[in-house]
Amino acid sequence: SAVISQKPSRDICQRGTSLTIQCQVDSQVTMMFWYRQQPGQSLTLIATANQGSEATYESGFVIDKFPISRPNLTFSTLTVSNMSPEDSSIYLCSSGDRGYTEAFFGQGTRLTVV
Amino acid sequence: GENVEQHPSTLSVQEGDSAVIKCTYSDSASNYFPWYKQELGKGPQLIIDIRSNVGEKKDQRIAVTLNKTAKHFSLHITETQPEDSAVYFCAGRTDSWGKLQFGAGTQVVVTP
Repeated sequence: SAVISQKPSRDICQRGTSLTIQCQVDSQVTMMFWYRQQPGQSLTLIATANQGSEATYESGFVIDKFPISRPNLTFSTLTVSNMSPEDSSIYLCSSGDRGYTEAFFGQGTRLTVV
Repeated sequence: GENVEQHPSTLSVQEGDSAVIKCTYSDSASNYFPWYKQELGKGPQLIIDIRSNVGEKKDQRIAVTLNKTAKHFSLHITETQPEDSAVYFCAGRTDSWGKLQFGAGTQVVVTP
């Protein structure tokens, strides 16, 4: 099973600022996925990150708000830009590969915007 | 796209009893169905999964069943224990790479 580490685990940020979340996988993976989990809600996919190409965003999410980097096969970052209190959520990354591979998750980054 | 519905939203069971959570999916192309357990302050933990070519899978006290014709799958927890208290999410996957569509989640409370 893949081990996924996220940093920071939590942060409190001022509105209008940006936060970059890091995700490190202990093995090489083709895809990395970023999800948002609003308080008391389920997980919603933000985007899919493939190394060497631009991330693919789901409906309702845009690159200007959530820029993503994928510099290599074990690492990705998600930036939450120009934050507002509505961005207060848990942000989670997971990994995926072709076939029936399991999707494991990091412990998440709990973001509070004040 | 895929849509996954999950019921019930909350489930309270007596310790030792069984718990069943049901999910339905919309996309007949979905081929992989994992279940996750999320404890407070933690990320989702994969507890069991099933592939579309299998009807049932069991791992100790937990089992998952899949009915492809009816497009639904269920999680069964037997002999529940207080440490089973958590939020459980079902999910479905339609693409080849691992993108998941999650159900709304079920809060399970096991009372001693």
